Amino acid sequence: DIQMTQSPSSLSASVGDRLTITCRASQSIGRYLNWYQQKPGTAPNLLIYAASSLQGGVPPRFSGSGSGTDFTLTITSLQPEDFATYYCQQSYNYPRTFGQGTKVEIK
Amino acid sequence: QLQLQESGPRLVKPSETLSLTCTVSDGSISSRSFYWGWIRQPPGKGLEWIGTIYYSGYTYYHPSLESRVTISLGTSEKQFSLRLSSLTAADTAVYYCARESTRPGYFYAMDVWGPGTTVTVSS
Repeated sequence: DIQMTQSPSSLSASVGDRLTITCRASQSIGRYLNWYQQKPGTAPNLLIYAASSLQGGVPPRFSGSGSGTDFTLTITSLQPEDFATYYCQQSYNYPRTFGQGTKVEIK
Repeated sequence: QLQLQESGPRLVKPSETLSLTCTVSDGSISSRSFYWGWIRQPPGKGLEWIGTIYYSGYTYYHPSLESRVTISLGTSEKQFSLRLSSLTAADTAVYYCARESTRPGYFYAMDVWGPGTTVTVSS
């Protein structure tokens, strides 16, 4: 199985901050990397697919980059509705695997 | 716009078999552009992929669950199902169904999710 490791596991930030979350795969996965946002009590929502493509309806303050084993999710100018948990996921092969999540909390 | 909805029992006894159904609205599972999967999330924990099925019936399962899980197509083009046997308390989780997109550029991202259904395994 491909292991996905996110860092940090949690962070505190303020509205307006720039935020970067990293995700590392245990082997090269090309650009088969997706990012999801999950708010309490709701299903995950796709933000970024194929490492850097913005899903329709997602604000442009979200962006993704990387390829191979190292990836980042960046949120410029954090908004109140962005406080949530973020997961990376590889879709390079089966079994699909997720990172452990990064919880973004209000400072 | 296509939507997914999970249905099934909320409380199941240990050692029994869980059966869940995912119903697709405003769409069909017979498209070659999509795979259909199940993911679960234990209370307070992260996401765990369970398995995926293609319109042809071909399946992929998580190795740790493969001996207990079956994903199948429904009798209509609007449903697919999950069966998980020999349940224990560790199977208590929110269960989600989701669509994996094979459309060009999507690289099998899970672009549509159901709202999830909470399943508790307890006597």
